[in-house]
Amino acid sequence: IVLTQSPGTLSLSPGERATLSCRASQTISSSSLAWYQQKPGQPPRLLIYGVANRATGVPDRFSGSGSGADFTLTISRLEPEDFAVFYCQQYGKAPWTFGQGTKVEIK
Amino acid sequence: QVQLVQSGAEVKNPGASVKVSCKASGYTFTSSYIHWVRQAPGQGLESMGWINTNSGGTYYPQRFQGRVTMTRDTSIGTAYMELTGLRYDDTGVYFCARDPPSTAVPLDIWGQGTSITVS
Repeated sequence: IVLTQSPGTLSLSPGERATLSCRASQTISSSSLAWYQQKPGQPPRLLIYGVANRATGVPDRFSGSGSGADFTLTISRLEPEDFAVFYCQQYGKAPWTFGQGTKVEIK
Repeated sequence: QVQLVQSGAEVKNPGASVKVSCKASGYTFTSSYIHWVRQAPGQGLESMGWINTNSGGTYYPQRFQGRVTMTRDTSIGTAYMELTGLRYDDTGVYFCARDPPSTAVPLDIWGQGTSITVS
């Protein structure tokens, strides 16, 4: 399953709302869609699993939504520590695959 | 606390092999699969497959079949990933990650990454 993320880069200011898109080449089964955040020099961090469930310790400004083949990660109000690269991942069908990433940068 | 600690950076010649270790602590090692994910410099994430740490069963995507081998030693709670026939485009950071028992949750704990340079 190919995942296509858009936009490639999002330039926003702290306090603004970020909306990231992830589109799959086919329907993702069992809502098996996750989002990860990665900062330079660090491993990815699980943010959202099962489309809309926040992982342990993830602030509630992060939310996931969508169904079928179209999914969205929303950050309601960007904090300085949120600027990073975000990846979607499907884990409903082997091989698990990632999108190419969306970089959220400070405007 | 729950953590995965990987072995250190390696520099290899083309055609050589590399074996990376991933030591688990803070949880029952055999309760969770271990996945391997790699990242080329400045690029995205790529799944390399996984190992069932209980049975030893493995899954490798087609593009890695014949070149990657994942094993584990349950006595010391450590998973291994060996990649053979190294090419320049194998250069990158290799991560291990835990796939917990819940089928709803994917990779919740990640190792710090191991840099592999083919040069």
